[in-house]
Amino acid sequence: QQQVKQSPQSLIVQKGGISIINCAYENTAFDYFPWYQQFPGKGPALLIAIRPDVSEKKEGRFTISFNKSAKQFSLHIMDSQPGDSATYFCAPGSWGQNFVFGPGTRLSVLP
Amino acid sequence: DGGITQSPKYLFRKEGQNVTLSCEQNLNHDAMYWYRQDPGQGLRLIYYSQIVNDFQKGDIAEGYSVSREKKESFPLTVTSAQKNPTAFYLCASQDPSSNQPQHFGDGTRLSIL
Repeated sequence: QQQVKQSPQSLIVQKGGISIINCAYENTAFDYFPWYQQFPGKGPALLIAIRPDVSEKKEGRFTISFNKSAKQFSLHIMDSQPGDSATYFCAPGSWGQNFVFGPGTRLSVLP
Repeated sequence: DGGITQSPKYLFRKEGQNVTLSCEQNLNHDAMYWYRQDPGQGLRLIYYSQIVNDFQKGDIAEGYSVSREKKESFPLTVTSAQKNPTAFYLCASQDPSSNQPQHFGDGTRLSIL
C-alpha cells in the first residue's frame, strides 16, 4: 500500500494560535492534494485542496503549502478557534485512481 | 438536499452473523466507495465501484462483500468471515469526470455483541 504519513499525530493549540499539520507521500504520480476535516461521529468533509501547479493556496484562515520536490504538503490554520477542534486527514491521489488517506491528526484548540 | 445517506447509524452484530450496511446517494455520482476507520488510523478502502454492476476490491476486502445494482445504492455486507468487524464504516461517492473530491456520508458504527 502506498505510504502517506502525517505529523504530528495530535496537536494542542491555544485559541488564536497557528496550527500546522504536515503530510508526506511517496507516489510522484499524485496530482491532487486535499485536506479533510472530520468531527466525531461524522464523515470527513473536504476543507481545502491544491493541485501541483501551485505552491500555495489560501481560503480564509486555511492555507495549503505544497513542496513538490520534497513530496510534502502542509495545512496551516491561522487564528485557530475551538470550533476547529477535529481530526484532519490528508488524502493525496490521482484522478481516475483512488486516494490514499493519512492516519489523521487530532487537533484540540483550547479556549 | 443532495447527499449521501448511511443507515443505520449504529449497528450491533452477534458472532457468526452477516450484517448489511446501507449507503444511498442522490448526487448522481458514478463512483462509490466503502472505507473502514479504526481509532487512531486513517480510512482504509474496502471496496469501490466506478459504475453500476461493477466493483473492485480495495486494500482490506477480505470478509466483506458489496453489490452495485443501482447507481444510487452501494450496500456493504460484513460477513462472519470478518473476524474483527468493530469499526466505523464510511461510504463516499464521487463524479470522476468532474475532478471533484469525494463526498462522505456520516458513517455507521458497527459493534459486536
